[in-house]
Amino acid sequence: KAGVTQTPRYLIKTRGQQVTLSCSPISGHRSVSWYQQTPGQGLQFLFEYFSETQRNKGNFPGRFSGRQFSNSRSEMNVSTLELGDSALYLCASSFSGNQGADTQYFGPGTRLTVL
Amino acid sequence: GDSVTQMEGPVTLSEEAFLTINCTYTATGYPSLFWYVQYPGEGLQLLLKATKADDKGSNKGFEATYRKETTSFHLEKGSVQVSDSAVYFCALRENQGGKLIFGQGTELSVKP
Repeated sequence: KAGVTQTPRYLIKTRGQQVTLSCSPISGHRSVSWYQQTPGQGLQFLFEYFSETQRNKGNFPGRFSGRQFSNSRSEMNVSTLELGDSALYLCASSFSGNQGADTQYFGPGTRLTVL
Repeated sequence: GDSVTQMEGPVTLSEEAFLTINCTYTATGYPSLFWYVQYPGEGLQLLLKATKADDKGSNKGFEATYRKETTSFHLEKGSVQVSDSAVYFCALRENQGGKLIFGQGTELSVKP
């Protein structure tokens, strides 16, 4: 089975712009979660989607949004970029996501740099 | 709220040395526990997991035992290799699912 794929792998944007990141989960997985990784804050949960519905949300401003399509692929969008949004954005997929033992498998991430 | 605390790094060891990375957690329920590893420039890879008390997860020579009485999930390996150099993350997930809660990560550097 192919793993979780994320595109693009690298992005450079300037303040005020917006960006869209894409994630394709492992085939058969219906839950997709997004995390932000920074040196200062570590790994922080953004949101989770299941069957095209946002099921959980972390403590991020409304500039961060996402969606999931019927084929379980997911996108996240960040509007009005700030310097502090520079981070590695990781996508993770799992089969159902509603059980603790259900393992989340991570993609390689998208490295976003905001200038 | 739930949280995970790992020993601070970086940890530097010689090849074939014994490795322990401490991890303790705070949770209201009965979480599943995970160790993930991140190699430079890559995403997170699942190393091992345990889903209930006294379970032992193991993979590639690494082991960790779910200790409910001490709320711990320490990672061990008997003989590390240079290729084990990476950042290791301990994480928990509550029984009903939801987000993973991560520790701050421990960087391991193994010298030949």
